[in-house]
Amino acid sequence: AQSVTQPDIHITVSEGASLELRCNYSYGATPYLFWYVQSPGQGLQLLLKYFSGDTLVQGIKGFEAEFKRSQSSFNLRKPSVHWSDAAEYFCAVGAGNSGYSTLTFGKGTMLLVSP
Amino acid sequence: NAGVTQTPKFQVLKTGQSMTLQCAQDMNHNSMYWYRQDPGMGLRLIYYSASEGTTDKGEVPNGYNVSRLNKREFSLRLESAAPSQTSVYFCASSEVRWYEQYFGPGTRLTVT
Repeated sequence: AQSVTQPDIHITVSEGASLELRCNYSYGATPYLFWYVQSPGQGLQLLLKYFSGDTLVQGIKGFEAEFKRSQSSFNLRKPSVHWSDAAEYFCAVGAGNSGYSTLTFGKGTMLLVSP
Repeated sequence: NAGVTQTPKFQVLKTGQSMTLQCAQDMNHNSMYWYRQDPGMGLRLIYYSASEGTTDKGEVPNGYNVSRLNKREFSLRLESAAPSQTSVYFCASSEVRWYEQYFGPGTRLTVT
């Protein structure tokens, strides 16, 4: 079965600084990978996804993520953080149609943005 | 399109009471899910329905039942609520079970 690790529970970044949130997965084949964002009191919103092809994927709100098979990672990045990016971020992995399970979510990283 | 809708938004129950959480999606998705979210625990899958007419247990199914009423609707029932079921409940749907999921706004449930 697949698994996801988000090593950082909390991260604080200054407004305007760059951001990288880490995600490591465990799965034998090529996974389907996702990043979601959850603002306080809201449901989860899809930021971006990777199925195959170009390993650098662009998402909404200026986010991007890079799939690195050798490191089993799918880290989320943003060049310049805005105060409105403060939220909780979840990485998720799926086994694709060769698997027998649904998506597996990490436990989340809370992003705090300081002025 | 409304996407995924959930009712109610908030609910307070006494221990032992029962209730049903409703979920509907208008995206013609085949798969639907119920999660609970607790501080520090992330999202935990309660039950899912890979397609109309099927349901399967997730990580934490005890104390819950589900019904896939039709392709649009997937309900979650608490037969005898316990304080340990105090949580935020999310419904989600996806085209198929290995694709991205779309989430509803959540139901905040408190059991006293």
